Amino acid sequence: EDQVTQSPEALRLQEGESSSLNCSYTVSGLRGLFWYRQDPGKGPEFLFTLYSAGEEKEKERLKATLTKKESFLHITAPKPEDSATYLCAVQAERGSTLGRLYFGRGTQLTVWP
Amino acid sequence: GAGVSQSPRYKVAKRGQDVALRCDPISGHVSLFWYQQALGQGPEFLTYFQNEAQLDKSGLPSDRFFAERPEGSVSTLKIQRTQQEDSAVYLCASSHGTSGSPLRDTQYFGPGTRLTVL
Repeated sequence: EDQVTQSPEALRLQEGESSSLNCSYTVSGLRGLFWYRQDPGKGPEFLFTLYSAGEEKEKERLKATLTKKESFLHITAPKPEDSATYLCAVQAERGSTLGRLYFGRGTQLTVWP
Repeated sequence: GAGVSQSPRYKVAKRGQDVALRCDPISGHVSLFWYQQALGQGPEFLTYFQNEAQLDKSGLPSDRFFAERPEGSVSTLKIQRTQQEDSAVYLCASSHGTSGSPLRDTQYFGPGTRLTVL
């Protein structure tokens, strides 16, 4: 069964304190791994798509990396406005539900001044 | 509009009532997905449309859930005889679905409809 596990469930950082969020996955052939940001009361906001092991993508203070079993979202010198829940999702290459995203439970990040 | 819109944003229903949730995808997007997000959880897949065709409804939790997209644009998720366990945020997402690898297209989400069943 395809699964996505995110850790930690919650993370509190002081402004400027860099850290990483983890997303481990088991899927019958990875078609793509997606990172989303979700603010309270809002829908997920797309951040990155990664397709193959070794791939990296950056956006402002965020950098996403991918291996064959997991992905990391690195946050460098975070600011309070980075506080949100970060969701990881995978899309499987094979299976009866092509196109669907399998989500983890998310990591709730709080950055305090 | 520039993004996916959903209405209503909030819906309170008494147990046993029927509800209808609307999704307006990004103009021109072929693929449309519905997800259910319980409190503190990640979104869970419900159903998928390619244009007006419902190609996958394997995630619908019971036969009380029904979705349609008759003209290939706006979609409606209908829940009949609502139960308390139906309380959740219902998210709609759309993607281009026209690239060489349509299943790789990024899904863009709407703000969701928060359904509370009393």
